[in-house]
Amino acid sequence: NAGVTQTPKFQVLKTGQSMTLQCAQDMNHEYMSWYRQDPGMGLRLIHYSVGAGITDQGEVPNGYNVSRSTTEDFPLRLLSAAPSQTSVYFCASSLREGANSPLHFGNGTRLTVT
Amino acid sequence: GNSVTQMEGPVTLSEEAFLTINCTYTATGYPSLFWYVQYPGEGLQLLLKATKADDKGSNKGFEATYRKETTSFHLEKGSVQVSDSAVYFCALRPGNQFYFGTGTSLTVIP
Repeated sequence: NAGVTQTPKFQVLKTGQSMTLQCAQDMNHEYMSWYRQDPGMGLRLIHYSVGAGITDQGEVPNGYNVSRSTTEDFPLRLLSAAPSQTSVYFCASSLREGANSPLHFGNGTRLTVT
Repeated sequence: GNSVTQMEGPVTLSEEAFLTINCTYTATGYPSLFWYVQYPGEGLQLLLKATKADDKGSNKGFEATYRKETTSFHLEKGSVQVSDSAVYFCALRPGNQFYFGTGTSLTVIP
């Protein structure tokens, strides 16, 4: 099994550009989420989804959009990149609430905004 | 609300030393508890989990016991190796969402 696959691994953007970080999982997980990881800040939840067609905001949603048209895919869109969005982004998935299932992480996308 | 408080790092130990990383939590209901490990340049990997009070999770020599009375889930290992150098995250899942501690960096020196 591939698990959670994130692309690209690295990306450099100029301020104001837009882009989409891709995330796909092949475990039929209902729950998917995006985190950003910054030095000294731990993991911060950006957006999450509990199933196809359902998304919700996390702790730091501003500047990011998500959609969930299929169970497998959960792309994260940066609308107009800013230097403050320089970070490492992780996509993660899990079975639904009540399943005591852990979160499975992708290997991350390292984004630099200049 | 739900939150995780983790021991501040960084922690530096000599090889074969005993490791404890403290983790306490605040949660509604009966959460599942997890420890994750992150090696440099990689994503987080599940290290161990416990789903109810008094459960002990274990993996690769690491152990943690779900203590409801003290709301704790401390990570322990009897003899650390250089290869254990990583960042360790405690997490809880009371519902759909997961809540993470800020991570504890461990360096093991030969």
